[in-house]
Amino acid sequence: EVQLVESGGGLVQPGGSLRLSCAASGFTFSSYSMNWVRQAPGKGLEWVSYISSSSSTIYYADSLKGRFTISRDNAKNSLYLQMNSLRAEDTAVYYCARDRLAVASYYMDVWGKGTTVTVSS
Amino acid sequence: SSELTQDPAVSVALGQTVRITCQGDSLRSYYASWYQQKPGQAPVLVIYGKNNRPSGIPDRFSGSNSGNTASLTITGAQAEDEADYYCNSRDSSGTRVFGGGTKLTVL
Repeated sequence: EVQLVESGGGLVQPGGSLRLSCAASGFTFSSYSMNWVRQAPGKGLEWVSYISSSSSTIYYADSLKGRFTISRDNAKNSLYLQMNSLRAEDTAVYYCARDRLAVASYYMDVWGKGTTVTVSS
Repeated sequence: SSELTQDPAVSVALGQTVRITCQGDSLRSYYASWYQQKPGQAPVLVIYGKNNRPSGIPDRFSGSNSGNTASLTITGAQAEDEADYYCNSRDSSGTRVFGGGTKLTVL
């Protein structure tokens, strides 16, 4: 079964750091690009970051202003999101999602259940 | 980065047809993908590409595109289709963007 499982969420104080992980199984992780997407309480989906299969291409949402770093370890079938200088507005459920490409179309076909990050003192 | 605009809320009578739209400049270059999200659950891909449904998605879901507008149509809406729907696309810089979401109510 194709599966993504996020972990690493929790309660952190403003200004603190957290590292999220996403464990992939059921598919050849090293062949796929990946994304992080977040959703603040009661709000819509917000794309956070993208990493290509070889880590050669990385994109971030402008709103992150260099505070987050995406990475992956293909040997461990894992995706990561290092989050620094956390703010209250970073409070959200964080999802990892597999990236796919079709003709003139990019889409996310497999999603994890998410991990919750709460930034509060 | 570009933006995608969706109507915040749409309603449809049970068994009727509803169209949810998404507008943005990036849609002139890339097809939108559509995601259904029910309360407390992760998003689920329902439409991608020109008009493709992943395995397991009912054929009452379909997609279309014209200029800078993408549409998700549900023909014969069911009670279980009540959910939030989000469009997504890639923009010219390579980043991805979601629309603000449309809350679908099935009456």
